[in-house]
Amino acid sequence: SQKIEQNSEALNIQEGKTATLTCNYTNYSPAYLQWYRQDPGRGPVFLLLIRENEKEKRKERLKVTFDTTLKQSLFHITASQPADSATYLCALGGAGGTSYGKLTFGQGTILTVHP
Amino acid sequence: DADVTQTPRNRITKTGKRIMLECSQTKGHDRMYWYRQDPGLGLQLIYYSFDVKDINKGEISDGYSVSRQAQAKFSLSLESAIPNQTALYFCATSLGDRGEETQYFGPGTRLLVL
Repeated sequence: SQKIEQNSEALNIQEGKTATLTCNYTNYSPAYLQWYRQDPGRGPVFLLLIRENEKEKRKERLKVTFDTTLKQSLFHITASQPADSATYLCALGGAGGTSYGKLTFGQGTILTVHP
Repeated sequence: DADVTQTPRNRITKTGKRIMLECSQTKGHDRMYWYRQDPGLGLQLIYYSFDVKDINKGEISDGYSVSRQAQAKFSLSLESAIPNQTALYFCATSLGDRGEETQYFGPGTRLLVL
């Protein structure tokens, strides 16, 4: 069955450093991968999408890489700020078959940025 | 006003009771989804609907049912609630076309089954 693992349940870093979160998957050939941010008690909010034929995407301080050979995505937040503290979810999406139109989510990584 | 709304936001019920969680959206999206979230388990898909006449089971549909009353409304029912259905429930929508796979989530309903 499909399995998605995000590297650690919690990640603590100092303000100004780069946070790197990992998403690994098995038994899946996603057409795209998304990253969401979730604050306590609130719904996830979309951040970035990267497709299977793309290696890297950037948006402001955020960068996502996607390696379909390693079956891994890395999510980077540069110059991190305390306001970046949240849970980050990766989600895989399929283009067809039983995966069409659906997302499969990882369990999330809780990021805490200390001042 | 929020694009995706859920009611109620919090609900306490007893084992065996039937309850309904409601979701409304003003985004004009055809696709709607219901998820539950448990600590450490991420989001699990319960049911999804690609249009008013289309309803599909997700990973964990047992014990749940849904109704798509209109493009804008998608309700989740627990026919006979049990304590292990205590969780945070989210509704989401998406446009669904290539380039529009983003899902937009409601604020969630926190359900406690005693």
